[in-house]
Amino acid sequence: GQQVMQIPQYQHVQEGEDFTTYCNSSTTLSNIQWYKQRPGGHPVFLIQLVKSGEVKKQKRLTFQFGEAKKNSSLHITATQTTDVGTYFCAGLNYGGSQGNLIFGKGTKLSVKP
Amino acid sequence: DGGITQSPKYLFRKEGQNVTLSCEQNLNHDAMYWYRQDPGQGLRLIYYSQIVNDFQKGDIAEGYSVSREKKESFPLTVTSAQKNPTAFYLCASSINGGQGNQPQHFGDGTRLSIL
Repeated sequence: GQQVMQIPQYQHVQEGEDFTTYCNSSTTLSNIQWYKQRPGGHPVFLIQLVKSGEVKKQKRLTFQFGEAKKNSSLHITATQTTDVGTYFCAGLNYGGSQGNLIFGKGTKLSVKP
Repeated sequence: DGGITQSPKYLFRKEGQNVTLSCEQNLNHDAMYWYRQDPGQGLRLIYYSQIVNDFQKGDIAEGYSVSREKKESFPLTVTSAQKNPTAFYLCASSINGGQGNQPQHFGDGTRLSIL
């Protein structure tokens, strides 16, 4: 079945350093969504990418969807302690309903002040 | 405020007991979902419903049951057949589930433990 692999599983950075998490799918995706879950909280939708090669920015966060629509990345510039949490990607197969949204296992980010 | 309400926040179950987790939304969303989250496992889909009176099994439906009698409500029952029910359960909703292009909104979750 379809799998969405996310790496790294954990990332520890010093405040001010950059951070990147990568998401790779075994099949071509219709779109990909990114979520952030703070410690003790619930996932919160960040963004959705739909087009091949798409790049979107939200302040210090840059999201990218690969040309083949099989991979995606989230890059955070100059991390802050407020960035702490687990970042999940979630991919949808072509022709799939929302029930086929497959979540990666997440990358847990910790930021040392 | 519009949102998704899950209750209770913490739930304890005895061996052989069924328990029901509540999920209510006032976002007027058509689609609702139940996920299970275990440490290091991400989110795994248990059941989802795209419309009232209809629901579909997800990847790990065994030992669980749901109903969707009202648009606002999607309760999840963890039955005694679920041998490893200890987990964090998340309910979510989206405007619709048909095209898969909608963000999902999550509740605060219910943490279920076995006594």
